[in-house]
Amino acid sequence: DVKVTQSSRYLVKRTGEKVFLECVQDMDHENMFWYRQDPGLGLRLIYFSYDVKMKEKGDIPEGYSVSREKKERFSLILESASTNQTSMYLCASRDQGPQDGYTFGSGTRLTVV
Amino acid sequence: AQKVTQAQTEISVVEKEDVTLDCVYETRDTTYYLFWYKQPPSGELVFLIRRNSFDEQNEISGRYSWNFQKSTSSFNFTITASQVVDSAVYFCALSGYSGNTPLVFGKGTRLSVIA
Repeated sequence: DVKVTQSSRYLVKRTGEKVFLECVQDMDHENMFWYRQDPGLGLRLIYFSYDVKMKEKGDIPEGYSVSREKKERFSLILESASTNQTSMYLCASRDQGPQDGYTFGSGTRLTVV
Repeated sequence: AQKVTQAQTEISVVEKEDVTLDCVYETRDTTYYLFWYKQPPSGELVFLIRRNSFDEQNEISGRYSWNFQKSTSSFNFTITASQVVDSAVYFCALSGYSGNTPLVFGKGTRLSVIA
């Protein structure tokens, strides 16, 4: 069964900490995405990557960075966590064709205190 | 620019009622794909259906059906005889001609089915 795996289901971090959210896919997909989901705001795209070492800013990249050193792994980094980054974070991967939808991970609920 | 609008933020129905979730999209592409995803309380988004812009046939899968109308740029989702397990957030999404770009999502509709 193909999968997108997010390393943590729940995470609690302190303000100012550097936080790493990891996402691994086993489908050999080119494209990977990070979203955050907040009530009433839907899914907001943070960053995406269409190839190893490539990254593109999404709609809300401020306060975040990403790393894609290997095709299967896409990491989201909160350089200095703040309380307004408390959210559900969703990783997804997608193959190259326009007909290909996303496969999502199960999400990481991050709380910054 | 591409856009997906799900005007219904929340819907509440009693079990066994039929319910339709609306999705309206905007795109200049002539080839595009539309998707529906379900997000149950557990949190993981699950793929439900994909439809391409050249196929306007309605689709039925059990209690689920989808009505795609290019003339009104709509791709609506109907659940017949709703059940409590249908309670979830449902997202409609659009893909343009390029596969290397993100899907464009609507903001989602939260459906609550009450026993």
